Amino acid sequence: DIVLTQSPVLAVSLGQRATISCRASQSVSISSINLMHWYQQKPGQQPKLLIYRASNLASGIPARFSGSGSGTDFTLTIDPVQADDIAAYYCQQSRESPNTFGAGTKLELK
Amino acid sequence: EVQLVESGGGLVQPGRSLKLSCLASGFTFSNYGMNWIRQAPGKGLEWVASISSSSSYIYYADTVKGRFTISRDNAKNTLYLQMTSLRSEDTALYYCARERRGTGFDYWGQGVMVTVSS
Repeated sequence: DIVLTQSPVLAVSLGQRATISCRASQSVSISSINLMHWYQQKPGQQPKLLIYRASNLASGIPARFSGSGSGTDFTLTIDPVQADDIAAYYCQQSRESPNTFGAGTKLELK
Repeated sequence: EVQLVESGGGLVQPGRSLKLSCLASGFTFSNYGMNWIRQAPGKGLEWVASISSSSSYIYYADTVKGRFTISRDNAKNTLYLQMTSLRSEDTALYYCARERRGTGFDYWGQGVMVTVSS
């Protein structure tokens, strides 16, 4: 199985940039298509798709969210961070079955 | 508006069975792959099972293989998860989620709680 590694916590100040990383145990790319996706989950809510295929903004997601990376290393950037962005963030790969999620990064206020 | 509404959860004893349903609306259900994803209390997300639009391809996580069965009825716009031989470690909030091929899970239900305890 492909293991996705995320840092558990990231502390950030409002208005600053947050960079959340996700490292895969093997490549999740196929012919330049990066099958890595990012989700936001607030307490008591279902996850919400933010970014698909590493860098594509999902429908209705603000432009302060962006994604980058390829192969095994991926990044979700929030710039600038707003109070509403305090949540848990998960990466997920669909390169091969089983789909796997990272353990999540909790974004906290500094 | 896309909606996914799960039902069928509850408290069940270890070793017993339970069947979850997910009623879809607001889109052409038969055009999309569907998934079950769970989240144990205070924990992260765990993918459980997936089924392609026509049920031709079905996959399971190793943790549920042989015990859970995913199925769908496209005429009823409904996704199912039959869970047997339930264990305490199956206790979780179970979400159904729509998948566009290779583009992640773009819609999720609110989730249904399953508690396995004696």
